[in-house]
Amino acid sequence: DGGITQSPKYLFRKEGQNVTLSCEQNLNHDAMYWYRQDPGQGLRLIYYSQIVNDFQKGDIAEGYSVSREKKESFPLTVTSAQKNPTAFYLCASSASRGSPQPQHFGDGTRLSIL
Amino acid sequence: AQRVTQPEKLLSVFKGAPVELKCNYSYSGSPELFWYVQYSRQRLQLLLRHISRESIKGFTADLNKGETSFHLKKPFAQEEDSAMYYCALSAYSSNTGKLIFGQGTTLQVKP
Repeated sequence: DGGITQSPKYLFRKEGQNVTLSCEQNLNHDAMYWYRQDPGQGLRLIYYSQIVNDFQKGDIAEGYSVSREKKESFPLTVTSAQKNPTAFYLCASSASRGSPQPQHFGDGTRLSIL
Repeated sequence: AQRVTQPEKLLSVFKGAPVELKCNYSYSGSPELFWYVQYSRQRLQLLLRHISRESIKGFTADLNKGETSFHLKKPFAQEEDSAMYYCALSAYSSNTGKLIFGQGTTLQVKP
């Protein structure tokens, strides 16, 4: 069953703590993306990666970090520097790193502050 | 600057009524535009893209470069169309595959 798997579904962060959100895809897609979804603001791009061992900042990268050591995995770390981390986080992937391709999305992770 | 605007946060219609979800974009090059839909308790999924020029679930969308719009239309709304709809733009010139999303419109179809 091909697709994108995000875990966990729900995550709670304590003050000063870093947390990592997992995103795995078995679609053999080159490109992967992390978005943050807030009510009334749509989806905003945090980081994206077009190929293994390479990634770029999106529009709201401050307080976040990523890695892309494997094609199928693109974990997102929400650091303590992110002052307003409560949001719904969506991971996506697409087939080609060049021409516009439809993106496939995971089920999301909801992050809350304790 | 590249931008996508969906002016309506909420659109409420009765079953059988026509639906038009508005989307305007700002981009000087050749855009590729998409509509994504998120049904309750389901993941965000592609509904249609302008390059395909097809009708999905009765929905169509035409790219109007003069008005920089990509409105989503359906002649007769069904209750199962109730969902959150996002318009998105991908810029060819950026060569990154990045999507720029609008703020989203919640469509509510009442019985």
